[in-house]
Amino acid sequence: EVQLVESGGGLVQPGGSLRVSCVVSGFTFSNYWMHWVRQAPGKGLVWVSRIDADGSTTNYADSVKGRFTISRDNAKNTLFLQMNSLRAEDTAVYYCVRPPFWGQGTLVTVSS
Amino acid sequence: SYELTQPPSVSVSPGQTARITCSGDALPKKHAYWYQQKSGQAPVLVIYEDSKRPSGIPERISGSSSGTMATLTISGAQVEDEADYYCYSTDTSGNNWVFGGGTKLTVL
Repeated sequence: EVQLVESGGGLVQPGGSLRVSCVVSGFTFSNYWMHWVRQAPGKGLVWVSRIDADGSTTNYADSVKGRFTISRDNAKNTLFLQMNSLRAEDTAVYYCVRPPFWGQGTLVTVSS
Repeated sequence: SYELTQPPSVSVSPGQTARITCSGDALPKKHAYWYQQKSGQAPVLVIYEDSKRPSGIPERISGSSSGTMATLTISGAQVEDEADYYCYSTDTSGNNWVFGGGTKLTVL
């Protein structure tokens, strides 16, 4: 059974940093592209970033480019999203995605 | 930046056919994917590569694509189909993925 479990969300002040993680199981992690998708409260889905199977290629949405960094540790079956210079508009549930499978998400709240 | 456009809402009576559209300039060259999201739940893929249905998705849910528009069709819509539906695709470079704004389907 494919499982994706996010963690690391929480409350952070504007301008601060946070790293969220996603531990996966049930498939060969090192064979797949992985994505982060977010959803602000009451709003739609927004693609954030993706990374290829060996971590050599990454892409970002314009809204997070230069502030967020996606990475992975294939030995630990773990995907990361390092978020810097956080803004109120980054407040959202962050989902780890290996299409078509999704985690349950972790909530990041940016507020003073 | 690339955008996919969906109607904010669609409403049908039970048993009627619901059609949700998604327009984007790259759709003639790129596949569309459709996700269903019910309140408080993670999204579920209901259509991939324009018209393919994952196992476990009811046959009444189908997809098509022509030109710059992809369409999700729910034939004989049921109350349980009430959800937000999102189309998902990429720009022509293949590097930037985008969701449409979402369509709230009401069946009543």
